[in-house]
Amino acid sequence: EVQLVESGGGLVQPGGSLRLSCAASGFTVSSNYMSWVRQAPGKGLEWVSVIYSGGSTYYADSVKGRFTISRDNSKNTLYLQMNSLRVEDTAVYYCARIDYWGQGTLVTVSS
Amino acid sequence: SYELTQPPSVSVSPGQTARITCSGDALPKKYAYWYQQKSGQAPVLVIYEDSKRPSGIPERFSGSSSGTMATLTISGAQVEDEADYYCYSTDSSGSHFGGGTKLTVL
Repeated sequence: EVQLVESGGGLVQPGGSLRLSCAASGFTVSSNYMSWVRQAPGKGLEWVSVIYSGGSTYYADSVKGRFTISRDNSKNTLYLQMNSLRVEDTAVYYCARIDYWGQGTLVTVSS
Repeated sequence: SYELTQPPSVSVSPGQTARITCSGDALPKKYAYWYQQKSGQAPVLVIYEDSKRPSGIPERFSGSSSGTMATLTISGAQVEDEADYYCYSTDSSGSHFGGGTKLTVL
């Protein structure tokens, strides 16, 4: 059974950092293209970043230069390193394969 | 930047056909995907690659794409189909979601 479980969210001050993790089971992360998607409170879905099976990575303009997507093949886990966080980064962050999504982890950026 | 445009809301009575559109310049060359999101839940894929339905998704959900517009059709909408629906596609700069359409069935 395919499962994605995010962790690492929490409250952080503006300018701070967080690393989100997404533990996958039932499939191999490195063989799929995996994305991070976020949803601010009461707002729509916003694509954040993707890593392809070959290792190429892409980012939304809103996070480019501040966020880094990566994976650990030995742990079958996807990561999102978030630096220089802003109030507007406050959202539920989901990791997703095109057909399966995790339940999300809440990131709150506030002083 | 690339945009996918959806109507903010669609309303139908139970048993009627609901159609939700998504327009984008890259859609003639890129697949459209559709997600359903009910309140407080993670999104669920209901249509992939324009018109394919994942296992477990009711047959009343269908998709089509022509030119710069993709359409999600729910034939005989049920009260339980009330949700937000998002289209999704890609282009050379990455991936994108439409702004979402709130489907009301009452």
